[in-house]
Amino acid sequence: EIVLTQSPGTLSLSPGERATLSCRASQSVTNNNLAWYQQKPGQAPRLLIYGASSRAAGIPDRFSGSGSGTDFTLTISRLEPEDFAVYYCQQYGTSRTFGQGTKVEIK
Amino acid sequence: EVQLVESGGGLVQPGGSLRLSCAASGFTFASYAMGWVRQAPGKGLEWVSAIIDSGGNTYYTDSARGRFTISRDNSKNTLYLQMNSLRVEDTAIYYCAKGSRGVWPYCFDCWGQGTLVTVSS
Repeated sequence: EIVLTQSPGTLSLSPGERATLSCRASQSVTNNNLAWYQQKPGQAPRLLIYGASSRAAGIPDRFSGSGSGTDFTLTISRLEPEDFAVYYCQQYGTSRTFGQGTKVEIK
Repeated sequence: EVQLVESGGGLVQPGGSLRLSCAASGFTFASYAMGWVRQAPGKGLEWVSAIIDSGGNTYYTDSARGRFTISRDNSKNTLYLQMNSLRVEDTAIYYCAKGSRGVWPYCFDCWGQGTLVTVSS
């Protein structure tokens, strides 16, 4: 099973700042089949990024994904108030696994 | 608009069974893989099971294999999860999710609001 490790566990930032979230896989993710999801309290997750770097429909361009192999990054260029949430990475190249999540909180 | 509406959750004793359903609308159900993802109280997301568009192939996480059965009825636009031999650690919100494609590889591009399963004596 591919284990995904997200860091940091919590990111404390102010609106307007840049957020950089990391997701590291225990082995190479097949075809870079990696997705990022956002989850707000009491809500279902929402797909942000698929294929490591493609934005899902309706996702603002301040969200971007990068990386390949075992190291992936989600960047939020300028945090908006609605971006404070928990973010999960998921690999879907070999079975499916989720990372443990990174909480982006208001500083 | 894609809609996924789960039902069937509730309180069940350890060792009991439940059948979850997910009614889908707003897309061609038979053309997409589907899956179940759960979230224990205060915890992260855990993928549970998935099924390809035709229903011909199913997949399970290790903890679900042998106890849970995923199925779909493409004529009724409905996804199911039969859960047997339930354990306390199966307590979670269970989300139904639509695959981004019919077959591998697919992530989950739309999610239902979830149904709560509580396993307790």
